[in-house]
Amino acid sequence: QVQLVESGGGLVKPGGSLRLSCAASRFTFSDYSMSWIRQAPGKGLEWISYITTSGSSIYYADSVKGRFTISRDNAKNSLYLQMNSLRAEDTAVYYCARVPLVDNDSFDIWGQGTMVTVAS
Amino acid sequence: SYELTQPPSVSVSPGQTASITCSGGKLGDKYASWYQQRPGQSPVLVIFQDNKRPSGIPERFSGSNSGNTATLTISGTQSMDEADYYCQAWDSTTAGYVFGTGTRVTVL
Repeated sequence: QVQLVESGGGLVKPGGSLRLSCAASRFTFSDYSMSWIRQAPGKGLEWISYITTSGSSIYYADSVKGRFTISRDNAKNSLYLQMNSLRAEDTAVYYCARVPLVDNDSFDIWGQGTMVTVAS
Repeated sequence: SYELTQPPSVSVSPGQTASITCSGGKLGDKYASWYQQRPGQSPVLVIFQDNKRPSGIPERFSGSNSGNTATLTISGTQSMDEADYYCQAWDSTTAGYVFGTGTRVTVL
């Protein structure tokens, strides 16, 4: 079964850094664009970043631009999110999601999420 | 920035039809997608490209999109359909994906 598994979440102090990983399995990872999406406790979904298959195009939400960096390693079937200068408002469950081949406007596979808590 | 607005909650009786709206400027010119999120679970895509169902999604889920409003319709609602639902679109102006505010569907 097609699967995405996030890891790397945890508790970090304001101003700190964290690197999230997303391991893909049972599909050809290099064929798909990917995104990170987060959900603060009790809140809605917020898209934060997107990367094309080769990494040639990358987009960020304004809320994380300049602080977060998305990247991928197709040889390792992995997606990453480097998060710097973390703030309390970055506290959320972070999901990686696949953009389907037939439709660049949606997300067809989601991971289980990894929790990031920013607190002193 | 582009915004998508949904009603906070919708209540429906078992077997009846639930309709969830999603409003945004010229949304009909974009593709709308819909996600179901049950408590404690990851979102699941239920509608893409306005009205297409991914494999495995029941036929009782349908979608439409015109003007400024996209609509997700659940026909013959079942208790298992109780969840939060989010609409979503790609905004080319800001080069970003946008999610709606979310609607909690309660099956009474």
